[in-house]
Amino acid sequence: KAGVTQTPRYLIKTRGQQVTLSCSPISGHRSVSWYQQTPGQGLQFLFEYFSETQRNKGNFPGRFSGRQFSNSRSEMNVSTLELGDSALYLCASSHNSQETQYFGPGTRLLVL
Amino acid sequence: TQLLEQSPQFLSIQEGENLTVYCNSSSVFSSLQWYRQEPGEGPVLLVTVVTGGEVKKLKRLTFQFGDARKDSSLHITAAQPGDTGLYLCAAYDNYGQNFVFGPGTRLSVLP
Repeated sequence: KAGVTQTPRYLIKTRGQQVTLSCSPISGHRSVSWYQQTPGQGLQFLFEYFSETQRNKGNFPGRFSGRQFSNSRSEMNVSTLELGDSALYLCASSHNSQETQYFGPGTRLLVL
Repeated sequence: TQLLEQSPQFLSIQEGENLTVYCNSSSVFSSLQWYRQEPGEGPVLLVTVVTGGEVKKLKRLTFQFGDARKDSSLHITAAQPGDTGLYLCAAYDNYGQNFVFGPGTRLSVLP
């Protein structure tokens, strides 16, 4: 069974731009969660989607948003990028909510 | 204050040595996961512990869940360079909504 895939793997943007990241979960998994990882803050939970609905949300500004499609694939969007948004963005999927999560390789975003 | 604390933050040892890293909290968890993350990659699940006092072994890695389900430890026997990485513990918060990670222990095993 294929693992979680994320695209793109690397991205460079400038301040003020917006970005969309994509995540394809493991086949059969209905829950997709997004995390931001930085050297200073570690891994922080952004939000979780289950059956196309956002179930939980972490403590991030409204510039961070996401959605999930009927095939469980998910996208996250960051608008009006700031330098501090530079991070590794990780997606994880699980069969159901609150079950063991399996992570993708991440998208490394650099904001200049 | 972080929900999960990990110690030590950094650890550099020689190949063949033994080590233990810790994950502590004042909260009780229904389960706790350990992950290992290598540079530029996502975390890879090592184990899930569920029962207080539970001990799980994965080759040279031994995981223990505290009796009160508030803490956990990871012991590595005869560490190898391939064990190098960031070791993270994680659990759902008290409301069962957010999956939170500890800050991690960065392990370096020198040949």
